Amino acid sequence: EVQLVESGGGLVQPGRSLRLSCAASGFVFDGHAMHWVRQAPGRGLEWVSGISWNSGNIGYVDSVKGRFTISRDNTKDSLYLQMNSLRLEDTAFYFCAQGSGYASASYSYFTLWGRGTLVTVSS
Amino acid sequence: EIVLTQSPGTLSLSPGERATLSCRASQSISSYYLAWYQQKPGQAPRLLMYDASSRATGIPDRFSGSGSGTDFTLTVSRLEPEDFAMYYCQQYGGSQVTFGGGTRVEIK
Repeated sequence: EVQLVESGGGLVQPGRSLRLSCAASGFVFDGHAMHWVRQAPGRGLEWVSGISWNSGNIGYVDSVKGRFTISRDNTKDSLYLQMNSLRLEDTAFYFCAQGSGYASASYSYFTLWGRGTLVTVSS
Repeated sequence: EIVLTQSPGTLSLSPGERATLSCRASQSISSYYLAWYQQKPGQAPRLLMYDASSRATGIPDRFSGSGSGTDFTLTVSRLEPEDFAMYYCQQYGGSQVTFGGGTRVEIK
């Protein structure tokens, strides 16, 4: 089955760290750029970060630059998001998404989505 | 950053009616790099359209997209019960991907 499954979300205090994972199956993982998109409860969608097939091209939304790090392991068909110095405004569902191409971390629409994992930043 | 503004915020229609959703960009989007998504409560978004007017795999032909430059439209020719949902546009022609704020299509 073609799917993306996120894990690693939870409740964390401001300033702390969390690492999200996304396990891919059913498609050629290293044939696609991959992305993280988030959605605060009851709000709209926000692209967070993207990574090309070979990790050579990476991009971030301005609000997470210097705090979040995206990475992938093509041998494990997995995508990751290391989130440091978390803020209250980072509270959201985080979706893993398959990019439409393989080379760009930003010029992409999203062809397959996971169900998301909830990150709650609260003291 | 390209800002996308969707209108109306909410569209109240009956099954069988035509829905017309608008997405306006703050600057011209190159090469029709605009996509549309449908999202239902508690679910992930689903890709409907890409490159402004191309339907994604499995999307029924009652969905169509049009537009260029700064003005884009998603049309649902005859609303089915399963079409009542949130709809988002997304541009991928700028330096960063951005989404519109969404249009809710609700049952009148």
